[in-house]
Amino acid sequence: ELKVEQNPLFLSMQEGKNYTIYCNYSTTSDRLYWYRQDPGKSLESLFVLLSNGAVKQEGRLMASLDTKARLSTLHITAAVHDLSATYFCAVDMDSNYQLIWGAGTKLIIKP
Amino acid sequence: GAVVSQHPSRVICKSGTSVKIECRSLDFQATTMFWYRQFPKQSLMLMATSNEGSKATYEQGVEKDKFLINHASLTLSTLTVTSAHPEDSSFYICSSTSGGARVNEQFFGPGTRLTVL
Repeated sequence: ELKVEQNPLFLSMQEGKNYTIYCNYSTTSDRLYWYRQDPGKSLESLFVLLSNGAVKQEGRLMASLDTKARLSTLHITAAVHDLSATYFCAVDMDSNYQLIWGAGTKLIIKP
Repeated sequence: GAVVSQHPSRVICKSGTSVKIECRSLDFQATTMFWYRQFPKQSLMLMATSNEGSKATYEQGVEKDKFLINHASLTLSTLTVTSAHPEDSSFYICSSTSGGARVNEQFFGPGTRLTVL
């Protein structure tokens, strides 16, 4: 059974600091996704990582994938308040595009 | 980018009534749509996978007679919560894959918040 674990589940940090959210999964997969969810809202796609060693960056966020370690990271550089949200990683279970979700990381960035 | 809409965004109904939620792909054809529910402060739970022109595939523990899914066209899937009860109150979100260059990515509708009194 494919399991996806995120940590930390909750993170409170100051503006300007750097931090990393980790996403571990239990079974071989080479497709991993990061999404953002604001309170009361739906999900916004951030990154799609499709191969070992994939690295993508958008603004202050950078995501990477290591399929051998079954690990993806979402790195936040010089955090700003607008990045406060819940971040989910999700892994493809099979070619049917079904996703297995992590529990989410609630990120609060204090001014 | 691929856009998915949902209607209504919020609905309040009495216990025992049925509620229909629509999910539309606005600028692409969605062969496959997914229906999720999300309880407060929890992750998404996949309820069913809906394929155009065929019966939906339900996840274990999801009652297909209670949560009726119809995917009659390539741009519309509907979820009907029949005989709703307060425990059905949740945030329901649909998603779809768009195919093409972004074939592996799911795009989510804005969600429908259902409150059953």
